[in-house]
Amino acid sequence: EDQVTQSPEALRLQEGESSSLNCSYTVSGLRGLFWYRQDPGKGPEFLFTLYSAGEEKEKERLKATLTKKESFLHITAPKPEDSATYLCAAFHRDDKIIFGKGTRLHILP
Amino acid sequence: DAGITQSPRHKVTETGTPVTLRCHQTENHRYMYWYRQDPGHGLRLIHYSYGVKDTDKGEVSDGYSVSRSKTEDFLLTLESATSSQTSVYFCAISEGEDQPQHFGDGTRLSIL
Repeated sequence: EDQVTQSPEALRLQEGESSSLNCSYTVSGLRGLFWYRQDPGKGPEFLFTLYSAGEEKEKERLKATLTKKESFLHITAPKPEDSATYLCAAFHRDDKIIFGKGTRLHILP
Repeated sequence: DAGITQSPRHKVTETGTPVTLRCHQTENHRYMYWYRQDPGHGLRLIHYSYGVKDTDKGEVSDGYSVSRSKTEDFLLTLESATSSQTSVYFCAISEGEDQPQHFGDGTRLSIL
């Protein structure tokens, strides 16, 4: 069964404490892996697309990487405004997109 | 921000009543999607559209219908709402099937 699993479910970090969020996927024929940020009461906001293993994308304090089995969202020296739920989604060959349940990230000042 | 407007933003209604949610886009994107988001389930696809009058079912389509008569509008209808359809509904758009989707800010629907 195709699925996307994110870990941890929730993460609390001190400001400046770097960490990584994991997105593991078991889908047939991955065509792309998306990362989103979602703030309370808002829709998901697109961050990155990764299309092939070894690819990396960066934006400010965030860097996304992709292997054949999982993706990581690395957060370097986070700030309180980075607090949000981070979602990953896998797009596969049956033209379907599967979302993970997200990681709730809380950065303490 | 992608030009996506969902209406209404909040709605409370009773079991058995019909409900229509509207998604309007100003980006002229071909693809439009309806999702529901529930605690413990994440985002689940209800229906999507790949062009005017072209729609297909998603993972959780039972009890829902959609229509798209214009590029910019995608309607989601609950013919006879049930309490299990209480959720937050998100509309999304994309330029292509393998392109990232951009989301509206959602409609919070409560069915009593």
